[in-house]
Amino acid sequence: AAGVIQSPRHLIKEKRETATLKCYPIPRHDTVYWYQQGPGQDPQFLISFYEKMQSDKGSIPDRFSAQQFSDYHSELNMSSLELGDSALYFCASSKRASDADTQYFGPGTRLTVL
Amino acid sequence: GENVEQHPSTLSVQEGDSAVIKCTYSDSASNYFPWYKQELGKGPQLIIDIRSNVGEKKDQRIAVTLNKTAKHFSLHITETQPEDSAVYFCAASTGDKLIFGTGTRLQVFP
Repeated sequence: AAGVIQSPRHLIKEKRETATLKCYPIPRHDTVYWYQQGPGQDPQFLISFYEKMQSDKGSIPDRFSAQQFSDYHSELNMSSLELGDSALYFCASSKRASDADTQYFGPGTRLTVL
Repeated sequence: GENVEQHPSTLSVQEGDSAVIKCTYSDSASNYFPWYKQELGKGPQLIIDIRSNVGEKKDQRIAVTLNKTAKHFSLHITETQPEDSAVYFCAASTGDKLIFGTGTRLQVFP
């Protein structure tokens, strides 16, 4: 079965540079979530989108922005990168349900800021 | 907001033994409780989930129990195998974002 696709898988940037992470949800899924996972940490929710509208927001820095496009793929834009932004970034997708959604995670993008 | 605590942080068992991981949550409005397995360098993989209208759910060697009154839920793995070795995360949700526990590193020794 098709899974969530994330690109790139690895990204190395310098401080103060910008980065764009892409997420392609499972076909027919309409909701996308972004999570950040530091070394040895649990995933922390950043932001989510349903039908191209932001549906929830977590601990996402103002330097980060995201959007969902008409084909349901999503992009996380990160500016003025800091050393502390080095982490794994996961995208998850779901099909909006009447109750809680079952979220399926992608393989992640490992961002290293030097 | 929701807070999820998970114990133990590490768990070592002999192949064939059972493993139990426990989580507690704080928000009584949480109604969905998934468990994820994460192998090194990979994304979290959903292994089982339970909703608040169910007390127990089983899928082959894996089972999850939920006690809404006490606000805790547990993962049970029977007949453990070396390939079960990974980090396991519990999570809670009120319908949108997931709040994760801090993870349990399970090691299964042959």
